[in-house]
Amino acid sequence: DTGVSQDPRHKITKRGQNVTFRCDPISEHNRLYWYRQTLGQGPEFLTYFQNEAQLEKSRLLSDRFSAERPKGSFSTLEIQRTEQGDSAMYLCASLGGAGGPYNEQFFGPGTRLTVL
Amino acid sequence: RKEVEQDPGPFNVPEGATVAFNCTYSNSASQSFFWYRQDCRKEPKLLMSVYSSGNEDGRFTAQLNRASQYISLLIRDSKLSDSATYLCVVNSDTDKLIFGTGTRLQVFP
Repeated sequence: DTGVSQDPRHKITKRGQNVTFRCDPISEHNRLYWYRQTLGQGPEFLTYFQNEAQLEKSRLLSDRFSAERPKGSFSTLEIQRTEQGDSAMYLCASLGGAGGPYNEQFFGPGTRLTVL
Repeated sequence: RKEVEQDPGPFNVPEGATVAFNCTYSNSASQSFFWYRQDCRKEPKLLMSVYSSGNEDGRFTAQLNRASQYISLLIRDSKLSDSATYLCVVNSDTDKLIFGTGTRLQVFP
């Protein structure tokens, strides 16, 4: 499968624990985006990378959240000291080429986080 | 005010019906627009891009009115398999996608 993959698909954790998610984009894509989706809402942008550089972060990304893309390939999103409000689907998407207004972002299957 | 606004529905329609979804966006500088489809507990998938001249793909027709900052999606001859959430999406200048809350469609036999 040459699409975007995410791991794990599901994560249940207790409040206060740290969690880390991984995203593997389509191999030739240089841009990688993280979104968060809560129940009944559309996905909301969190952050994005062009190669290994993190170019934009949303105000949603509190200091408990950190994202990396160390070699410009896979990315990790870590949440420290999880709170119940962090429960959501975390989606990763990749975009290839020079971007452009109608280039398609391809989404991974998401990681569903439940914080107890 | 949200950047992209949609009626959340649900829209419950019989097979064969025509259904229309509307969406408004607040940033007049937005350049590109999409409709994504999302099945329950799955990732969003691109249904179609929305071009200024309007465009059609089989039973689906998308329209854009830049003056009113309004986007629409028309589905003709609804199928059971069309049941899903339809997300109106606007692209920003950094290619981050701005999603509406989604409109849920349920097609019944």
